[in-house]
Amino acid sequence: DAGITQSPRHKVTETGTPVTLRCHQTENHRYMYWYRQDPGHGLRLIHYSYGVKDTDKGEVSDGYSVSRSKTEDFLLTLESATSSQTSVYFCAISDEGVAGGPGETQYFGPGTRLLVL
Amino acid sequence: DQQVKQNSPSLSVQEGRISILNCDYTNSMFDYFLWYKKYPAEGPTFLISISSIKDKNEDGRFTVFLNKSAKHLSLHIVPSQPGDSAVYFCAASHIQGAQKLVFGQGTRLTINP
Repeated sequence: DAGITQSPRHKVTETGTPVTLRCHQTENHRYMYWYRQDPGHGLRLIHYSYGVKDTDKGEVSDGYSVSRSKTEDFLLTLESATSSQTSVYFCAISDEGVAGGPGETQYFGPGTRLLVL
Repeated sequence: DQQVKQNSPSLSVQEGRISILNCDYTNSMFDYFLWYKKYPAEGPTFLISISSIKDKNEDGRFTVFLNKSAKHLSLHIVPSQPGDSAVYFCAASHIQGAQKLVFGQGTRLTINP
């Protein structure tokens, strides 16, 4: 298994509070991703990173920000949590593929279950 | 707009028989397809993948078939085992699109003894 940890694994918070989720990898992979999983939607991409300090938006980025100051850590922040952000959040990583782009296969962390009351 | 669809939310199969999970996509730019398996309270685990230049890829009990003209892929598991009971997600990506995966909704497979 790829060395990916997520913290916290479970969190309950109140509407309007800031929340930061952490993804930590020991694989030295260049690419990191944040997804959320909701019933009926599968997993949807929130943000991704293609290197230190290099990030871009995914499909459902509104209300989320990310930061990557080190190769091994990718942080997801909910500036002001809302009930619609109650979800399970997964981090994924991938190595460089052919020609320096991302590899085809992403490997996932164990997830963080977030409940916003 | 769901670009990747798994139209069967659940599937029940007898142990030892073949399990067939289906997935349809709408975006003709997708050129790489993956299947992930997910147990409760765990992250998705990569199972098998296929490039659009192929129509079949095998790995042990798992085979993925790709029909580009129909924009359809399927995962065959034979023989099915109780440990295969999980939620299966298909995913697609475009090699030029930073490998941003687009997932289907998932199919819950139950293998009955």
